[in-house]
Amino acid sequence: SQQGEEDPQALSIQEGENATMNCSYKTSINNLQWYRQNSGRGLVHLILIRSNEREKHSGRLRVTLDTSKKSSSLLITASRAADTASYFCATDAVDSNYQLIWGAGTKLIIKP
Amino acid sequence: EAGVAQSPRYKIIEKRQSVAFWCNPISGHATLYWYQQILGQGPKLLIQFQNNGVVDDSQLPKDRFSAERLKGVDSTLKIQPAKLEDSAVYLCASSARGNSLGQYFGPGTRLLVL
Repeated sequence: SQQGEEDPQALSIQEGENATMNCSYKTSINNLQWYRQNSGRGLVHLILIRSNEREKHSGRLRVTLDTSKKSSSLLITASRAADTASYFCATDAVDSNYQLIWGAGTKLIIKP
Repeated sequence: EAGVAQSPRYKIIEKRQSVAFWCNPISGHATLYWYQQILGQGPKLLIQFQNNGVVDDSQLPKDRFSAERLKGVDSTLKIQPAKLEDSAVYLCASSARGNSLGQYFGPGTRLLVL
């Protein structure tokens, strides 16, 4: 079953602009993770935010977590053509045996 | 460190044939996952191993899918017989401590069933 739901399903922006993707989930979590998947390739772990954290940064990435609203956002600043990919949020739910539950992803296209 | 290795990268078979995928996780990673990813969807967990024991295989279609992790290292996933709806990318991932530090994925095996 899919717990995470990303919004929007697809996003197209100009290079240099910021891209924001949102994720909503249903149950209590230990942490929430964001992954990137380039076309035809495996998933790459981008960032993990724990349930007691509200914001986390990694390079051009900024993730926020609002456990009261069961939602997270991923911001990519100063986007580049190489950021074109699908982005997935995955939740490590409490009592889940370390399983991740995945959303359907946001397809991000950066136009040069 | 070397990443998660998978083979083959691509496989085309006819329905009712058998196919097997292989995965070598990152050295020292105790947890290994097999996922099925259908085009346009997120990954769906098929089976999770902790060392050589099965933690969860509730979403594995056991009438046709099987998986093993001998000696708690390499793993194989088999489909026998394959159906058209099995066309997907099969991803293997491993993690050191459950999901506390994230999962590391292999490149996947793209399966097409004709």
